[in-house]
Amino acid sequence: EADIYQTPRYLVIGTGKKITLECSQTMGHDKMYWYQQDPGMELHLIHYSYGVNSTEKGDLSSESTVSRIRTEHFPLTLESARPSHTSQYLCASSEGAEVGEQYFGPGTRLTVT
Amino acid sequence: GQNIDQPTEMTATEGAIVQINCTYQTSGFNGLFWYQQHAGEAPTFLSYNVLDGLEEKGRFSSFLSRSKGYSYLLLKELQMKDSASYLCAGMDSNYQLIWGAGTKLIIKP
Repeated sequence: EADIYQTPRYLVIGTGKKITLECSQTMGHDKMYWYQQDPGMELHLIHYSYGVNSTEKGDLSSESTVSRIRTEHFPLTLESARPSHTSQYLCASSEGAEVGEQYFGPGTRLTVT
Repeated sequence: GQNIDQPTEMTATEGAIVQINCTYQTSGFNGLFWYQQHAGEAPTFLSYNVLDGLEEKGRFSSFLSRSKGYSYLLLKELQMKDSASYLCAGMDSNYQLIWGAGTKLIIKP
């Protein structure tokens, strides 16, 4: 059973606020990912991590940062939210092998007013 | 550049068979994934192909032709619960997934 959690599920926040989206997994997976997905559109990779203290930027620059201090925890922080950040944010994890299926969390739907 | 193409929307009848096509261009290739995503939910893994040919898993099958940069997902004995978006994703030489926009499948009774 894949267990990956995201909080909050829904968030409405004003422009300029700093927010952190939480993601935790209990599977001991080394790899974790953050994606952004707009309705009817493809997933865009924002950040990824291959293990503790490892973080990389994906192809989408969303003015966000991540940290990976513990294997199970991979939070995403927006320093100053803008209306263009309104989207669905999906966290995923996979095992350490190079090729493996990704397990997704339920997502956080963010609205910036 | 890297690109995944799949139809935006398809309609099929309950009990029938539907084939969802996907063409891909990736920098290097380490396999082709299919995911299912119900509206408002997270994607869930369906299949993975890295060698040419057909992989069958119950009502769902996935096919890959590396020489043509082409894959399809075949769904048999369609059920109403199969109404969802089906995402095709190619894995590039860096083991990163390049995602298509998904095919929204509508099942009619």
